[in-house]
Amino acid sequence: GAGVSQSPSNKVTEKGKDVELRCDPISGHTALYWYRQSLGQGLEFLIYFQGNSAPDKSGLPSDRFSAERTGGSVSTLTIQRTQQEDSAVYLCASSSSTRGTGELFFGEGSRLTVL
Amino acid sequence: DAKTTQPNSMESNEEEPVHLPCNHSTISGTDYIHWYRQLPSQGPEYVIHGLTSNVNNRMASLAIAEDRKSSTLILHRATLRDAAVYYCILRDHGRGSTLGRLYFGRGTQLTVWP
Repeated sequence: GAGVSQSPSNKVTEKGKDVELRCDPISGHTALYWYRQSLGQGLEFLIYFQGNSAPDKSGLPSDRFSAERTGGSVSTLTIQRTQQEDSAVYLCASSSSTRGTGELFFGEGSRLTVL
Repeated sequence: DAKTTQPNSMESNEEEPVHLPCNHSTISGTDYIHWYRQLPSQGPEYVIHGLTSNVNNRMASLAIAEDRKSSTLILHRATLRDAAVYYCILRDHGRGSTLGRLYFGRGTQLTVWP
């Protein structure tokens, strides 16, 4: 598969637990994005990476959320002490560029349910 | 962030053309106009993008107003598979730390009737 891969596809967790969501971008794509989509809502920007650095982290909703990217490839979004309002589909996308002409390729998403 | 405004929903009959409007009155000179669509239970997929001139590809056409403050995505013959949420977004081609922040909004839910 040459597309963006996300895991797990579904995650059910208890309130207060930590979760890690993983994104494998398309090989060679330098830009990587995380979005969150709550039920019936649009996409909420969380963070993006250019290489391993994150120039803009202001979309992260609280300090319980963090993300890292290693080797310019795989990225992990970590949510600590999950709350019920964190329940959503977390979407990852990659692009060959952050500039205006770059197309974003999205994964299928990781559906998180916090009980 | 440069924002876009789209109708919440639109309907069409199968085999008919569909014109999906988008307003972006605060667009800057370096913003590209992108369209994505999201089928049920899937991540968004790219449809088309343009800067100033109208664009055509196998999926759709993009008509951009002369002042660039609005654009229209045109599906020439709607099919049932085209039922999706369509997002119009602006993507900056300039420089700056907020280049990656792309505002998707709620998009337009397109319903296609058989």
